[in-house]
Amino acid sequence: AQSVSQHNHHVILSEAASLELGCNYSYGGTVNLFWYVQYPGQHLQLLLKYFSGDPLVKGIKGFEAEFIKSKFSFNLRKPSVQWSDTAEYFCAVGRIKAAGNKLTFGGGTRVLVKP
Amino acid sequence: ETGVTQTPRHLVMGMTNKKSLKCEQHLGHNAMYWYKQSAKKPLELMFVYSLEERVENNSVPSRFSPECPNSSHLFLHLHTLQPEDSALYLCASSQEGIPGGPPDTQYFGPGTRLTVL
Repeated sequence: AQSVSQHNHHVILSEAASLELGCNYSYGGTVNLFWYVQYPGQHLQLLLKYFSGDPLVKGIKGFEAEFIKSKFSFNLRKPSVQWSDTAEYFCAVGRIKAAGNKLTFGGGTRVLVKP
Repeated sequence: ETGVTQTPRHLVMGMTNKKSLKCEQHLGHNAMYWYKQSAKKPLELMFVYSLEERVENNSVPSRFSPECPNSSHLFLHLHTLQPEDSALYLCASSQEGIPGGPPDTQYFGPGTRLTVL
């Protein structure tokens, strides 16, 4: 069965620090890759996505992610975080199938940015 | 505003009650989903509807019963729930392309926080 692993469950860092969140998946076929973010009290929203092309994807709010096919990874990065980046981050993998846009989500990483 | 609304936002029910969760999407999408978000567990897909037909049911207990009367509305009917069913229930929608095509972005509603006593 396909699985998505986010190795860090909790991350605490100070403003202006760099952030990198790991995401690995186990599915060997063609996939679409997503990072979603859930700010406190808000709904899940898309941060960025990778379908094809340049493996370095830039998203909203200064986030980027790099797809490394050989490592089955799609790590999220931000060079300098802000207090407002405090949120829970979810990696998701969508696989090609006959019907139904199924996404498999990782367990999420809670990020706390101290002012 | 995400274009996906859910009501109610909070629900407390006893184990013998019957209630329904409602989801509405205003994005013109053709696929809708129910997810369960529990503490310390990954987001779990419960049901997928594509073009108003259920295409996937991830072995969800029968005390959860989905209904999709049209492409804009999705319901989750609840009856004789258990305390372990307490969770945040999220609805999402997406535009599904050709069969076998790549899954596209799903847009989520704010969720219904369900507490089963």
